[in-house]
Amino acid sequence: GAGVSQSPSNKVTEKGKDVELRCDPISGHTALYWYRQRLGQGLEFLIYFQGNSAPDKSGLPSDRFSAERTGESVSTLTIQRTQQEDSAVYLCASSLGWQPQHFGDGTRLSIL
Amino acid sequence: GIQVEQSPPDLILQEGANSTLRCNFSDSVNNLQWFHQNPWGQLINLFYIPSGTKQNGRLSATTVATERYSLLYISSSQTTDSGVYFCAVVRRAGGGADGLTFGKGTHLIIQP
Repeated sequence: GAGVSQSPSNKVTEKGKDVELRCDPISGHTALYWYRQRLGQGLEFLIYFQGNSAPDKSGLPSDRFSAERTGESVSTLTIQRTQQEDSAVYLCASSLGWQPQHFGDGTRLSIL
Repeated sequence: GIQVEQSPPDLILQEGANSTLRCNFSDSVNNLQWFHQNPWGQLINLFYIPSGTKQNGRLSATTVATERYSLLYISSSQTTDSGVYFCAVVRRAGGGADGLTFGKGTHLIIQP
C-alpha cells in the first residue's frame, strides 16, 4: 500500500490475555520501528528492525514484550499477560535506512 | 541518551496569527523530524530537516545543527493547525537507522 498499515486499529482485552499487533511497512522500506504513546504523552521508542534483525531490544518495557519481522515485510509486536499499564496507542513507522520515518495510524490498546 | 526539549508547551492563538515553535537537543543528530499530531491522533510528517531551512506552504523550518536547535514557523494560522507539534531526533552515532527520541510536544490551539 501507499502508507504504513497497522491492525487492528482498536483492541480491547482483559488483563492477563496476550495480544498481537501487526504492522505492514511501506514497500521497499528496510527499517521498521515500534513506538508507544500513553494518553497525553509523547512517543516512547520500543524497538527497530533493520531487515529482520533487531540490533537493540533494550527499549522494550519488560520481558512480556517481544517483536519479530519477516524479512523486510510485516512485523508483529506481541504483549503477553497484559497489564493495565500496557494501555496505550502503539505506533509503527518505517523508513529507507536513516531517511524520514513514516508512521501508521496506530493500534489503540485498552486493557480492562 | 539524547535530550529533546520543546517550547512553549502550550500556545493559544487567534486565527491568522503567526507562531514559532522551538526544539533544543543535547547532542549531534543525523535525523530531525517535525510532526503534527492531529486531534484524531494521526502523526503527520511536516519536515525532515537535520540541517538547513525548508518551506512548505505556510510552514517553514530551520535547523541550526551546530547550535543544536530547530525552529518551526507557522504563518497565518488556521483552526486546522490545532494539535500537538512534536520534534524528534536520532542521535548521530553509527550512521544507520535508529529510533526517534521525541520531545514532549507543543500543544497549539487556534481559536476562530
